Amino acid sequence: KQEVTQIPAALSVPEGENLVLNCSFTDSAIYNLQWFRQDPGKGLTSLLLIQSSQREQTSGRLNASLDKSSGRSTLYIAASQPGDSATYLCAVAGTYKYIFGTGTRLKVLA
Amino acid sequence: NAGVTQTPKFQVLKTGQSMTLQCAQDMNHEYMSWYRQDPGMGLRLIHYSVGAGITDQGEVPNGYNVSRSTTEDFPLRLLSAAPSQTSVYFCATQDSYEQYFGPGTRLTVT
Repeated sequence: KQEVTQIPAALSVPEGENLVLNCSFTDSAIYNLQWFRQDPGKGLTSLLLIQSSQREQTSGRLNASLDKSSGRSTLYIAASQPGDSATYLCAVAGTYKYIFGTGTRLKVLA
Repeated sequence: NAGVTQTPKFQVLKTGQSMTLQCAQDMNHEYMSWYRQDPGMGLRLIHYSVGAGITDQGEVPNGYNVSRSTTEDFPLRLLSAAPSQTSVYFCATQDSYEQYFGPGTRLTVT
């Protein structure tokens, strides 16, 4: 059974810092991996999608990597801003099913 | 282009009442799914559908029914609400790779 873990559960950093969020999964037979952002009381916004054949994806200040063999993905946020404060979720896709981690709650201090 | 819409946004039920959470999409995606999100547990898959007339169970299906008569709509039915079903419910669609989420329905069962 696929299990997805995100560490740390919460993170507080000063503005401008570069940071890394971690996502690990137990079954490397995945279809893709998707990173989401969730603001309090809101839905999920897709940030980056990495297909199983890819190693990384970039969008603006965000870079996500995928290492299937070790069961790990990282989300790198460059030059963090207070507007980046949110919960970040990773989700691993098998056939027709996504398994979510419990998220990392990020707070960027001005 | 509304994407994924969910109604209602908020609902309070009494134990034993029934209700239907509505989900509609205008992206012509075959795949749709329902999740519930509880504090500390991430998102868990309730039911999913790979096309009209085809549904299957996810991780936590008990107490919920679904049907899919059209590509656009995927309602979630609670036949006899229980306090354990207090949660935030998200509907999602998926194209070949990526998931797209609705804004959620916050349900409280007293």
